[in-house]
Amino acid sequence: DTEVTQTPKHLVMGMTNKKSLKCEQHMGHRAMYWYKQKAKKPPELMFVYSYEKLSINESVPSRFSPECPNSSLLNLHLHALQPEDSALYLCASSQGGGDRVGGYTFGSGTRLTVV
Amino acid sequence: DAKTTQPTSMDCAEGRAANLPCNHSTISGNEYVYWYRQIHSQGPQYIIHGLKNNETNEMASLIITEDRKSSTLILPHATLRDTAVYYCIASAAGNKLTFGGGTRVLVKP
Repeated sequence: DTEVTQTPKHLVMGMTNKKSLKCEQHMGHRAMYWYKQKAKKPPELMFVYSYEKLSINESVPSRFSPECPNSSLLNLHLHALQPEDSALYLCASSQGGGDRVGGYTFGSGTRLTVV
Repeated sequence: DAKTTQPTSMDCAEGRAANLPCNHSTISGNEYVYWYRQIHSQGPQYIIHGLKNNETNEMASLIITEDRKSSTLILPHATLRDTAVYYCIASAAGNKLTFGGGTRVLVKP
């Protein structure tokens, strides 16, 4: 299995809702990432998990809460979002480790619309 | 990570080689050059990476200048499916990947 699977593919939520995005990989990768991508812009890093521990939080608002239950799963919990949070949310994984060289594998993303 | 500079957009003809340039004049000795592409509404796709030597795989070739200040990604026979945004990133091993503006490539029949 060489894929990163993200669910759902599309999500519409109200500003008072609580929802979660899910990401799964079975490549034995030990680093996982959340990126946010607005239309016609490059992806922006949000969080990095390394060996199931949060290693980087790019000053993301607390209404976004990441979770890594195990080495294969990564969640992004959403609460009280704003319309400007509407974007494509991308999950990625890589072999991890400070001396590892290799590409990231990205999922197809969840297109989130906040109404 | 070193800053990279790429043209905003470029067109190329189907069946011809596409040469995508990237400048990274402040690249450090431990930083690799990575190339990714993103086809519309999909996640980015890893293409290739290199440190000093030229690299080739089934998708593309990467030519890095001897001083490492610039590189060129070569798609040997461009197809319509190669239409995408191509990102050049300079990053040390294990560092986070930071995307710049990329080059929007349009392959024309």
